Amino acid sequence: DAGVIQSPRHEVTEMGQEVTLRCKPISGHNSLFWYRQTMMRGLELLIYFNNNVPIDDSGMPEDRFSAKMPNASFSTLKIQPSEPRDSAVYFCASSLQEGVNTEAFFGQGTRLTVV
Amino acid sequence: SQQGEEDPQALSIQEGENATMNCSYKTSINNLQWYRQNSGRGLVHLILIRSNEREKHSGRLRVTLDTSKKSSSLLITASRAADTASYFCATMGNTPLVFGKGTRLSVIA
Repeated sequence: DAGVIQSPRHEVTEMGQEVTLRCKPISGHNSLFWYRQTMMRGLELLIYFNNNVPIDDSGMPEDRFSAKMPNASFSTLKIQPSEPRDSAVYFCASSLQEGVNTEAFFGQGTRLTVV
Repeated sequence: SQQGEEDPQALSIQEGENATMNCSYKTSINNLQWYRQNSGRGLVHLILIRSNEREKHSGRLRVTLDTSKKSSSLLITASRAADTASYFCATMGNTPLVFGKGTRLSVIA
């Protein structure tokens, strides 16, 4: 298995532009997580899905952020409009939630820079 | 909001020494997990300890869990330069996989 695949690996965009980050979870996994990592705030859970349904999006910073999971093999995180303070590394992770005692597998992340 | 808080924030040791990192959390959990992150990479799962377990071993790793104190520790024995990384604890409770800010471990050869 190729693991969790995120694209792009790096994104540089101008303030005000729309940014879309993509994630392909491990085949067969039914939970998907989006995290944001910065030096100041560490790893923040933005949103997670179970069986393609958003369960908790309380970590999404504001309405400029939205996430979708149209099917079991694809998810997007969109920022519109982007701002310099959105600059961070965004990670996607997936797991097989048989009960709760399972590990998560992380992608390599997307490093977003908003100038 | 952060659930786990690791201590210390940074740790520097000589190769061959043991490294101990601690994690404290705030609410009830189903399990606690430790992850490792090399610079610029994604996190990799190391070990999971369930709420009804007190100690668990995996190779050179030893994890303890004290639910009465809401704390956990990760011990890496006989450290190697390749163990240099950031280590995070993550709690699985009502909200899954909430991470602390991590401990940056540097192992000097």
